Amino acid sequence: GENVEQHPSTLSVQEGDSAVIKCTYSDSASNYFPWYKQELGKGPQLIIDIRSNVGEKKDQRIAVTLNKTAKHFSLHITETQPEDSAVYFCAASDPRGSTLGRLYFGRGTQLTVWP
Amino acid sequence: DGGITQSPKYLFRKEGQNVTLSCEQNLNHDAMYWYRQDPGQGLRLIYYSQIVNDFQKGDIAEGYSVSREKKESFPLTVTSAQKNPTAFYLCASSIVTSGRPEQFFGPGTRLTVL
Repeated sequence: GENVEQHPSTLSVQEGDSAVIKCTYSDSASNYFPWYKQELGKGPQLIIDIRSNVGEKKDQRIAVTLNKTAKHFSLHITETQPEDSAVYFCAASDPRGSTLGRLYFGRGTQLTVWP
Repeated sequence: DGGITQSPKYLFRKEGQNVTLSCEQNLNHDAMYWYRQDPGQGLRLIYYSQIVNDFQKGDIAEGYSVSREKKESFPLTVTSAQKNPTAFYLCASSIVTSGRPEQFFGPGTRLTVL
């Protein structure tokens, strides 16, 4: 399978600061890397994803970077707001093939943004 | 309005009883998944199904069973053999043929065994 490590487990930032969450994966055959945001008591929602043929992707205040050589990818949130407070999960696709559908998830990062 | 529904949102059962959690999707997705979430443990895969009448064990299948008789439905039974069933259970679905296996999650069911 695939082993995804995520750090840090908790992150506190002041409103307006940037937040960075990092993940590593073990199998270089994984080629799809999504990030999910989970608000308290709800199911996770996809916020951004990246394929292995792209090094960086941005969507307004969030961005994801991928380093295939080092097998790590990161989520960057700029100008954080209190509503960004949530648990964030990274994931990697099944190294046997992304068409198999399975994702391997990190353990999550609890982000708290203080006003 | 397409999506994934899980019912009920909260479920209480006595120890030793089997309980079935419902998951329905109208997204026409082929694949469906069940995860268990405990504090600090992330999302752990219980079972998944890529096609009707077929399913595979995930990482923590012991004490659980599933069926996939219809494309839209993937119920999960928590049996009395599951030693610590109290948890938040999430169902998800995805299109597997696109090469972009984005999973869509339901709102979850919080199961408490008394």
